[in-house]
Amino acid sequence: DAGITQSPRHKVTETGTPVTLRCHQTENHRYMYWYRQDPGHGLRLIHYSYGVKDTDKGEVSDGYSVSRSKTEDFLLTLESATSSQTSVYFCAISDGRGSGEKLFFGSGTQLSVL
Amino acid sequence: QKEVEQDPGPLSVPEGAIVSLNCTYSNSAFQYFMWYRQYSRKGPELLMYTYSSGNKEDGRFTAQVDKSSKYISLFIRDSQPSDSATYLCAMSAGSGGGADGLTFGKGTHLIIQP
Repeated sequence: DAGITQSPRHKVTETGTPVTLRCHQTENHRYMYWYRQDPGHGLRLIHYSYGVKDTDKGEVSDGYSVSRSKTEDFLLTLESATSSQTSVYFCAISDGRGSGEKLFFGSGTQLSVL
Repeated sequence: QKEVEQDPGPLSVPEGAIVSLNCTYSNSAFQYFMWYRQYSRKGPELLMYTYSSGNKEDGRFTAQVDKSSKYISLFIRDSQPSDSATYLCAMSAGSGGGADGLTFGKGTHLIIQP
């Protein structure tokens, strides 16, 4: 997990509250991703970024928004948390330079929505 | 039909055994193939990376790709208790970043019994 820091590591929140998860990288990689991992579903892409202020949706983007104001930081916001968003969230980075999508992951954030 | 199929296990073998982990896929455009290892409560880490068909060896690990059969394998020789983890296959059609990037299998939970 060197070079990628996710915060917080654990979060418990209530339904309807906004939640922001942070990913910080020191590798100066162009691409940053947010995934969620759930039993029976594996890893699913929520949103990704291909540069500062450049973001796009992934497979399961409903209820989530992202922002990237600096190369090193990528924020994931749950606008109004629901119990279905209880999951483990992983940030990943890649340099996207012809490397066939080698992703490097952070340690994850365990989010519980009560 | 899912794009990538992977037996979830658990797969339990005695220490020292040869382990074979497998994935099948349906998208003939995939040309980059990866194996990630994920320990409990950690993020996935890139273990093996292969382009196109053929074998790649790294220490006790061998990755094998058969594009004609749409089948990839990871072999672990002289398995150790420290190899106990979930192994995820991943594959990609392109060489750049973005949402067209990696498609993951759901992972196989491997247990090496001392």
